[in-house]
Amino acid sequence: GAGVSQSPRYKVAKRGQDVALRCDPISGHVSLFWYQQALGQGPEFLTYFQNEAQLDKSGLPSDRFFAERPEGSVSTLKIQRTQQEDSAVYLCASSHMFGGALGYEQYFGPGTRLTVT
Amino acid sequence: GNSVTQMEGPVTLSEEAFLTINCTYTATGYPSLFWYVQYPGEGLQLLLKATKADDKGSNKGFEATYRKETTSFHLEKGSVQVSDSAVYFCALRTNAGKSTFGDGTTLTVKP
Repeated sequence: GAGVSQSPRYKVAKRGQDVALRCDPISGHVSLFWYQQALGQGPEFLTYFQNEAQLDKSGLPSDRFFAERPEGSVSTLKIQRTQQEDSAVYLCASSHMFGGALGYEQYFGPGTRLTVT
Repeated sequence: GNSVTQMEGPVTLSEEAFLTINCTYTATGYPSLFWYVQYPGEGLQLLLKATKADDKGSNKGFEATYRKETTSFHLEKGSVQVSDSAVYFCALRTNAGKSTFGDGTTLTVKP
């Protein structure tokens, strides 16, 4: 069916506000990844889910960042008390394969552009 | 840790010119290597991939060969078109699942 979708596409937040970014992966995909892409740079890994289990959160930059995937499908990335350095595009990707299999394709969503003022 | 270094841009070429975008990597273990393309206003799309040494990935006239001895995965195309104008990202992935990306190279092709 449809590809990976993310909402909202654009979000402007005032410094200190909390934001929630949503990712709808391709139906049936077990693996879900979040990346942060600063302007002019490549995406950087934030966290990885296999079904509902968060197997790797080593890329989350601070404890203000929290991600969940409670039913193993939709995922939400929450940022508390946003700071200007959080301004970036947040990308979600999903795959039908488990993380340990090399070479499988990850399908990326269009991203959410977060601007913190 | 893992890292990817790719040729700095921007790169500007005339239509039908030869394209090379260099990419080198550092990784523990044996990564898979990827090139992604991001067209203006769109998301990342997989362009090609290679999963082991000496593999050649190819798609839409683009090619890249996994060179373990030089830890490289350079992207090439013999004759670029205006429609190839985009940002190109080199990436690697280990069996941990997460990808490591380069900073991207912006290609502009002029008619």
